[in-house]
Amino acid sequence: DIQMTQSPSCVSASVGDRVTITCRASQGISSWLAWYQQKPGRAPKLLIYTASSLQSGVPSRFSGSGSGTDFTLTISSLQPEDFATYYCLQTNSLPLTFGGGTKVEIK
Amino acid sequence: EVQLVESGGGLVQPGRSLRLSCAASGFTFDDYAMHWVRQAPGKGLEWVSSISWNSVNIGYADSMKGRFTISRDNAKNSLYLQMNSLRAEDTALYYCAKGRGSSASSSPERWGQGTLVTVSS
Repeated sequence: DIQMTQSPSCVSASVGDRVTITCRASQGISSWLAWYQQKPGRAPKLLIYTASSLQSGVPSRFSGSGSGTDFTLTISSLQPEDFATYYCLQTNSLPLTFGGGTKVEIK
Repeated sequence: EVQLVESGGGLVQPGRSLRLSCAASGFTFDDYAMHWVRQAPGKGLEWVSSISWNSVNIGYADSMKGRFTISRDNAKNSLYLQMNSLRAEDTALYYCAKGRGSSASSSPERWGQGTLVTVSS
């Protein structure tokens, strides 16, 4: 099975900051990676699929990059509504596997 | 509008069984793969299982293989998860999710609100 290592587990940031979250796969997964945002008490929301494709309706301050084993989610200018937990998910092969999550907190 | 409504959760004793259902609407159900994803209280997301549009391709997380069975009824626009030999560590909120495509490995795109399963004596 493919293991996904996400870092950091928590980041403190201010409104307007640039935030970067990384995800590393235990083996190459091409571009088969998705990113999700989850707010407390809410279902996850798809932000990015195939590593860099922005899901419809998601603000352009979110972007994804990477291929192979190393991937990045960037929030270019953090907004108040972006404080949440973010997860990566590899969709290269079954079983699918999530990263451990990154909580973005208010500094 | 895509709607996914899970049901069937509840309190169950260890070793017993439970069947979750997910009623889908707002899209052509038999064009898309479907997933179950769970989240234990205060923990991260854990992918449970997925099924392709035609039920040919199915996958399970290792810890659920042999105990859980996913299925779908395209005529009823419904997804199911049969959970047997339940353990305390299966306690979680179980989400149903629609895939972006027809493949069992397509990214979960739209999610229901979840149904809570509590395994306890």
